[in-house]
Amino acid sequence: EAGVAQSPRYKIIEKRQSVAFWCNPISGHATLYWYQQILGQGPKLLIQFQNNGVVDDSQLPKDRFSAERLKGVDSTLKIQPAKLEDSAVYLCASSLRGGGTELDNEQFFGPGTRLTVL
Amino acid sequence: KNQVEQSPQSLIILEGKNCTLQCNYTVSPFSNLRWYKQDTGRGPVSLTIMTFSENTKSNGRYTATLDADTKQSSLHITASQLSDSASYICVVSLGGNKLVFGAGTILRVKS
Repeated sequence: EAGVAQSPRYKIIEKRQSVAFWCNPISGHATLYWYQQILGQGPKLLIQFQNNGVVDDSQLPKDRFSAERLKGVDSTLKIQPAKLEDSAVYLCASSLRGGGTELDNEQFFGPGTRLTVL
Repeated sequence: KNQVEQSPQSLIILEGKNCTLQCNYTVSPFSNLRWYKQDTGRGPVSLTIMTFSENTKSNGRYTATLDADTKQSSLHITASQLSDSASYICVVSLGGNKLVFGAGTILRVKS
């Protein structure tokens, strides 16, 4: 079974530029998550999708961050314009469902995109 | 406030030695507790998942314990290997797939 795919793996941009990340979850997984992991910290949830609908985006800085999952499969996360403090690893994860049993909601993570904002 | 605290922040041990990582949490409601291993440049990978009623779970050389009364968990690694060098993250689930992550313990195994 293929895992969660993310691209690009690394991105360096200057502040005020725009950037987009792409995620392809495990086939059949209805729930998709984007996390921000700042160096030395645990991941912080930015947004959670159930199919193509948003379940939780309470910690997404909506003035500059946006995400979509139009067909309920892959997803893109965009930052526009980027700030220095956005430098982090952006992790995408997916789970079979957003609730139910432990196996249903176990999250599988992609390798992440490391963003450096100069 | 829901929090997960891990200790130590980092640890260096010799190959073949055992070690124990600690996790204290103040999370409510509690659904389950997970330990993840995150290799450098990779996403976290689940090692163990424990519900409220479980107090120990093993995965090869990894053994996790849970004390729901004191809200503490530990991850014991037996006979460490160089490949165990990674960050180990304690994660508590509130249910509904809401997770609270610890900052992780960085383990380095030296030969």
